[in-house]
Amino acid sequence: QQQVKQSPQSLIVQKGGISIINCAYENTAFDYFPWYQQFPGKGPALLIAIRPDVSEKKEGRFTISFNKSAKQFSLHIMDSQPGDSATYFCAASGASGRLTFGEGTQLTVNP
Amino acid sequence: DAGITQSPRHKVTETGTPVTLRCHQTENHRYMYWYRQDPGHGLRLIHYSYGVKDTDKGEVSDGYSVSRSKTEDFLLTLESATSSQTSVYFCAAVPENTYNEQFFGPGTRLTVL
Repeated sequence: QQQVKQSPQSLIVQKGGISIINCAYENTAFDYFPWYQQFPGKGPALLIAIRPDVSEKKEGRFTISFNKSAKQFSLHIMDSQPGDSATYFCAASGASGRLTFGEGTQLTVNP
Repeated sequence: DAGITQSPRHKVTETGTPVTLRCHQTENHRYMYWYRQDPGHGLRLIHYSYGVKDTDKGEVSDGYSVSRSKTEDFLLTLESATSSQTSVYFCAAVPENTYNEQFFGPGTRLTVL
């Protein structure tokens, strides 16, 4: 049972452009929504996270937008750089702390 | 990286052999997790621990067991490895005073022939 659906599977963006990755969840008990960034051969690294009491959170060039009624959240990467090329995972968890991950998006930023 | 190391980093084994992967952390984290990562599936939870000798199953626990006899070590065992268990395995831990901010180790690439 896939409780967190992520799209697109792959994304190609030009340097300086905006990268947008979307996730949808089913479980209304989820109350924590992190995004992870993973480079080849490395473990996932926590990038940014949001709780459902706010609709947006921004950290530098990275922004999470959260729509509770639609059960959707998205990652926006402004001014995308080649160094942002990586695989991005959304995830969600509830009171148990168990994270459910999306399938991942492979982002390529062309110079 | 929350002081997490994994060993071995790479392992090739044969079907039917037992395999143990080790996750070691140096910062006294209480919660620890084992995931497997496969193309098209993201990361899937195998087992987790919320303290010494306290463990529970995740969504893909069949064929795996875990043990946590010390806070710093969380072991994942494949009792009889199968080719379907070829994967990259990640350990994660949650530092105190964070809300489920899971930090991951570098991973173990396991190939079962």
